[in-house]
Amino acid sequence: QVQLQESGPGLLKPSETLSLTCTVSGYFISSGYYWGWIRQSPGKGLEWIGFMYHSGSTYYNPSLKSRVSTSVDTSKNQFSLTLSSVTAADTAVYYCARVLDYYDSSGYGFDYWGLGTLVTVSS
Amino acid sequence: DIQMTQSPSSLSASVGDRVTITCRASQTISSYLNWYQQMPGKAPKLLIYAASSLQSGVPSRFSGSGSGTDFTLTISGLQPEDFATYYCQQSYSFPLTFGGGTKVDFK
Repeated sequence: QVQLQESGPGLLKPSETLSLTCTVSGYFISSGYYWGWIRQSPGKGLEWIGFMYHSGSTYYNPSLKSRVSTSVDTSKNQFSLTLSSVTAADTAVYYCARVLDYYDSSGYGFDYWGLGTLVTVSS
Repeated sequence: DIQMTQSPSSLSASVGDRVTITCRASQTISSYLNWYQQMPGKAPKLLIYAASSLQSGVPSRFSGSGSGTDFTLTISGLQPEDFATYYCQQSYSFPLTFGGGTKVDFK
């Protein structure tokens, strides 16, 4: 079955860059599907960050777009998230997930999720 | 952005109860609506997509309905493992947005 696992630093200082990697097992990223990131904080609930296709097509939340970038490494079956200039407001549990698309790829949900990783931004 | 409003924010129920959770969109989203269940400390789990399609492996006591702006998640015969928080999510337009959640706990 498909499994995802996030990895990366759990503590950052303000203005630093957050970098997370999601390792996928049970499915080859290069075979298809979009792969995405969602975060959850007590103050803002669940927030969609963005998702990407292995070929490079991306969709980002406009509220984060200026600070977000993503990449895919098909040789390692991993995809990554980078969020620059973090502040305390970026403190959250970050999830990676596979995107289920429906209605001829105009509808999107998240059918497989990682366990999540807590990222804290504090000086 | 499309705002998703869930009601109630919490409810108390007993095993065997029929539970209904409502999600309202700030504008029409056709049937681009998904439902998730989240247990404490766990990732959300997809239950329903496209408003009424049951995700593979999800028990049939879960059902979804609605279109346009008003949607409902129904649990027919609440089981002990169903006590959790439920979220709706729209994908009609970017950015994808989630509701604030409905916590179902023991009466």
